[in-house]
Amino acid sequence: EPEVTQTPSHQVTQMGQEVILRCVPISNHLYFYWYRQILGQKVEFLVSFYNNEISEKSEIFDDQFSVERPDGSNFTLKIRSTKLEDSAMYFCASSGARASSYNEQFFGPGTRLTVL
Amino acid sequence: DQQVKQNSPSLSVQEGRISILNCDYTNSMFDYFLWYKKYPAEGPTFLISISSIKDKNEDGRFTVFLNKSAKHLSLHIVPSQPGDSAVYFCAASARYGGSQGNLIFGKGTKLSVKP
Repeated sequence: EPEVTQTPSHQVTQMGQEVILRCVPISNHLYFYWYRQILGQKVEFLVSFYNNEISEKSEIFDDQFSVERPDGSNFTLKIRSTKLEDSAMYFCASSGARASSYNEQFFGPGTRLTVL
Repeated sequence: DQQVKQNSPSLSVQEGRISILNCDYTNSMFDYFLWYKKYPAEGPTFLISISSIKDKNEDGRFTVFLNKSAKHLSLHIVPSQPGDSAVYFCAASARYGGSQGNLIFGKGTKLSVKP
């Protein structure tokens, strides 16, 4: 069964450093998302991506964040200068085998980001 | 701004009985609702969804009920099994009104099914 994969599973970084979180969405999906979950809190939407551009972003997704689909398979989230409060689980999701349909989102296993 | 609320942080049920997980929402633009199950250290796993044009959707042991007038939905699991023990998240989405379908999650309900 196709699934969303994410690497690394755990990333530890120093405050101020750049990190890139990687995701491989399900191959025939068209919509891609990043969410995060700070420990003990709810899962929060960060950004959605469709047709090689950002569709929507939340207020969390400020100038320190960027997303990219560098090739036909990977979908990355970059945080340019990490802050302590960026420590969270980051989930990638994908949906939409057909652009006109409304489909459930399938989530990857997450990357735990720890900023020291 | 809790647009999606799961007011019960935990629920304990005996194996074989029915589990009922509840969710309330405030945004009348939501037109698609989903339930996800999450184990520790894993991503949310899609369980079942319902469009706002329906009031019930069933998939095996899982049934979701939607009451639009009350802005309430519930997930019924029957019979409950110990393997169902996990955190269950309710999520909602608005296809129209400018949203591209991003999900708004509730805080989750931890279900424990006792043998």
